[in-house]
Amino acid sequence: KNQVEQSPQSLIILEGKNCTLQCNYTVSPFSNLRWYKQDTGRGPVSLKIMTFSENTKSNGRYTATLDADTKQSSLHITASQLSDSASYICVVRLNTGFQKLVFGTGTRLLVSP
Amino acid sequence: DTGVSQDPRHKITKRGQNVTFRCDPISEHNRLYWYRQTLGQGPEFLTYFQNEAQLEKSRLLSDRFSAERPKGSFSTLEIQRTEQGDSAMYLCASSSYSTDHNEQFFGPGTRLTVL
Repeated sequence: KNQVEQSPQSLIILEGKNCTLQCNYTVSPFSNLRWYKQDTGRGPVSLKIMTFSENTKSNGRYTATLDADTKQSSLHITASQLSDSASYICVVRLNTGFQKLVFGTGTRLLVSP
Repeated sequence: DTGVSQDPRHKITKRGQNVTFRCDPISEHNRLYWYRQTLGQGPEFLTYFQNEAQLEKSRLLSDRFSAERPKGSFSTLEIQRTEQGDSAMYLCASSSYSTDHNEQFFGPGTRLTVL
């Protein structure tokens, strides 16, 4: 069964600190992996970080890494801001058919002043 | 680019009533998707349109659910004889294969509450 698991479920950090969110996936055939940010009561918004092989991609304060061998990805947020408080969802695309997306359950991040 | 829009944003209905949601995708996107998201979970795929053709349907889409995209632009999702278990956020997304590896852009969602 195609699954995406994220950890931790929730995280509280102080403003200005860094944090790392984890994503493990068992999806086949794998196409690529993206990270989305979802504010409460809103739709997910892409962080514009896509990885499709063993690599590291950055977009501002967000950096995502992918290890295709272990099927793990991490999202690192540096110098956190209050506006970073949201759920962060790991999304894996299947390389078949209409390229279905498989979503993780998300990590709920709270940045405290 | 006005983004994906959904209407209504919130809907409260009584069990057994029918409801219909609308999604307007980004204008140049020919692919449209519906998802359902319950509290604390990631979105779950419901159905997929390419232009006006409905090409994929999840087993989650019971016979009480129907989706249309009659002219290949906006789409509607109808739920008949709603049940309390239908309470969820219904998300619409659109994409174009030529845009950033078919990245999906999501609307703000319609939150359904069935009493």
